Amino acid sequence: DAMVIQNPRYQVTQFGKPVTLSCSQTLNHNVMYWYQQKSSQAPKLLFHYYDKDFNNEADTPDNFQSRRPNTSFCFLDIRSPGLGDAAMYLCATSPRLYSNQPQHFGDGTRLSIL
Amino acid sequence: GESVGLHLPTLSVQEGDNSIINCAYSNSASDYFIWYKQESGKGPQFIIDIRSNMDKRQGQRVTVLLNKTVKHLSLQIAATQPGDSAVYFCAERGLEENTDKLIFGTGTRLQVFP
Repeated sequence: DAMVIQNPRYQVTQFGKPVTLSCSQTLNHNVMYWYQQKSSQAPKLLFHYYDKDFNNEADTPDNFQSRRPNTSFCFLDIRSPGLGDAAMYLCATSPRLYSNQPQHFGDGTRLSIL
Repeated sequence: GESVGLHLPTLSVQEGDNSIINCAYSNSASDYFIWYKQESGKGPQFIIDIRSNMDKRQGQRVTVLLNKTVKHLSLQIAATQPGDSAVYFCAERGLEENTDKLIFGTGTRLQVFP
């Protein structure tokens, strides 16, 4: 059974039109991460939540925002998508910081920009 | 800065042979390493991990070796099967405070042919 669920699996949006991707988890993990993965590249961390504490990576564009209304759900908002934002977006969780346990990934949302 | 890299972008092996995927890391203080398998259209799937106080760890058909002297990590897959075809990423946990940031290698594509 999927433990990190991302919806939708495929999302198409127009250039400049705001889009929201969602992630839910059944693991009750404290930490949730959002990664961007472009074709043939490694995942790149955008930000993470440790409980309600938001931690942004220094090179994450302001165009990307995130919300975590409760333990189970986390959202990625792209305010004005550009063509360069077309990618796979991966959500991951871990029990806590420095748990010495691997992050658990969802199957991602593939975002296309028209 | 911290970086994790792989020596070979593509590895082709015959079904039934053993596979070895290599990874170099640059931060000698890193204490936790993970191997992920990513199939097309899916998120990274945890395979095996190892802490820096170990030099070998075995799973089902997989073995991870850690050589801290030369900062090298390898994944060995025994009796490679067609279902092993995927991209394999090594990941190193970053050492920034209050973060579980993973630093991914560039990935190796494993192709298994009959």
